Amino acid sequence: EDKVVQSPLSLVVHEGDTVTLNCSYEVTNFRSLLWYKQEKKAPTFLFMLTSSGIEKKSGRLSSILDKKELFSILNITATQTGDSAIYLCAYTGTASKLTFGTGTRLQVTL
Amino acid sequence: EAGVAQSPRYKIIEKRQSVAFWCNPISGHATLYWYQQILGQGPKLLIQFQNNGVVDDSQLPKDRFSAERLKGVDSTLKIQPAKLEDSAVYLCASSLGSAGWSAGTQYFGPGTRLLVL
Repeated sequence: EDKVVQSPLSLVVHEGDTVTLNCSYEVTNFRSLLWYKQEKKAPTFLFMLTSSGIEKKSGRLSSILDKKELFSILNITATQTGDSAIYLCAYTGTASKLTFGTGTRLQVTL
Repeated sequence: EAGVAQSPRYKIIEKRQSVAFWCNPISGHATLYWYQQILGQGPKLLIQFQNNGVVDDSQLPKDRFSAERLKGVDSTLKIQPAKLEDSAVYLCASSLGSAGWSAGTQYFGPGTRLLVL
């Protein structure tokens, strides 16, 4: 059965720390892996990864995909309180629908 | 560019009542999705439309849930009758297409939080 597993489930860090969020997947027909940030209700798009080993970067956030080991990581450097959110990992297969993991709840404290 | 619009933002009903949610996708987006997000879980796809046709409704509880997208723009999702376990946030999303890179970049609306008592 296709599945996405995220770890840790929750994380509390101090402002300025660097965090790494993990996403592993088992998908029969993998097309892409996506990361979303969910602060209140609407998930907002961060990255879409389709190729192994190519890092995507946006400011203090970066992500990379390993299609051999079937996982992705999301890194956040110099965390800020505004980074507090749930970070969702999702994949697409042959269909365009997103299948989400349960998310990692990140809390950044002063 | 206007984002995905949803209404209402909150709804409280009693079990066995009916409820309807409305979604207006980003202009020009052919694909529209309805997701259900139960507290502590990731969103789960209920139904996907390509223009006004249904692409995937395999996880829609069809005995009580229905959705339509007349004219391939706005969409409504209805629950009748509601159960306690339907309490969740209902998210609408849209994307430009359903294949290739554009399919993955789904843009989400603010959601409707439903509480069934």
